[in-house]
Amino acid sequence: AQSVTQLGSHVSVSEGALVLLRCNYSSSVPPYLFWYVQYPNQGLQLLLKYTSAATLVKGINGFEAEFKKSETSFHLTKPSAHMSDAAEYFCAVSDKGYSTLTFGKGTMLLVSP
Amino acid sequence: DVKVTQSSRYLVKRTGEKVFLECVQDMDHENMFWYRQDPGLGLRLIYFSYDVKMKEKGDIPEGYSVSREKKERFSLILESASTNQTSMYLCASSPSRGLVSYEQYFGPGTRLTVT
Repeated sequence: AQSVTQLGSHVSVSEGALVLLRCNYSSSVPPYLFWYVQYPNQGLQLLLKYTSAATLVKGINGFEAEFKKSETSFHLTKPSAHMSDAAEYFCAVSDKGYSTLTFGKGTMLLVSP
Repeated sequence: DVKVTQSSRYLVKRTGEKVFLECVQDMDHENMFWYRQDPGLGLRLIYFSYDVKMKEKGDIPEGYSVSREKKERFSLILESASTNQTSMYLCASSPSRGLVSYEQYFGPGTRLTVT
């Protein structure tokens, strides 16, 4: 069975600081991995995805994530936080060949001026 | 542009009522999903459908049923609403192309309150 662990339900950074949101997964087969963002009172929007091509994946709004098989991790980073990045972020995993995703519990990113 | 719409953004119902949540996608996607989202619990899959008239139980199907009569529409039904079903409900869809898994596209959500 797949599972996703997001370390830290809340992460606080200052504007301009590095953003690091952690995601570890377990999967019995090579996975597909996704990061989604949710702004208040909205649905989820895809930030980026890993589908076994390049291990460093670039997404929208300056975010990127690196797939590390040895660490079973897919951490999300952004070099410089902006106030507009304040939102909840979800990591998700899917076994190849399946349409369902397993989501982590989410990390709320707080950005202070 | 990809679009998933949900019939209501906010809904207030009484305990025991039958509740219908509707979801429509305009992308000709085969797969459709219903999740509920609760603080600290993330998204939990209720039901999904990979074809018209087909349905599969997710992780928390108890107290819910679904209907998919047309490819673009997927309905979630609460047969007898209870207060513990107060939650945010999210619908999503994704294409299905053989063994490749694609990202899911989400609607804006319906915040349901059962009193």
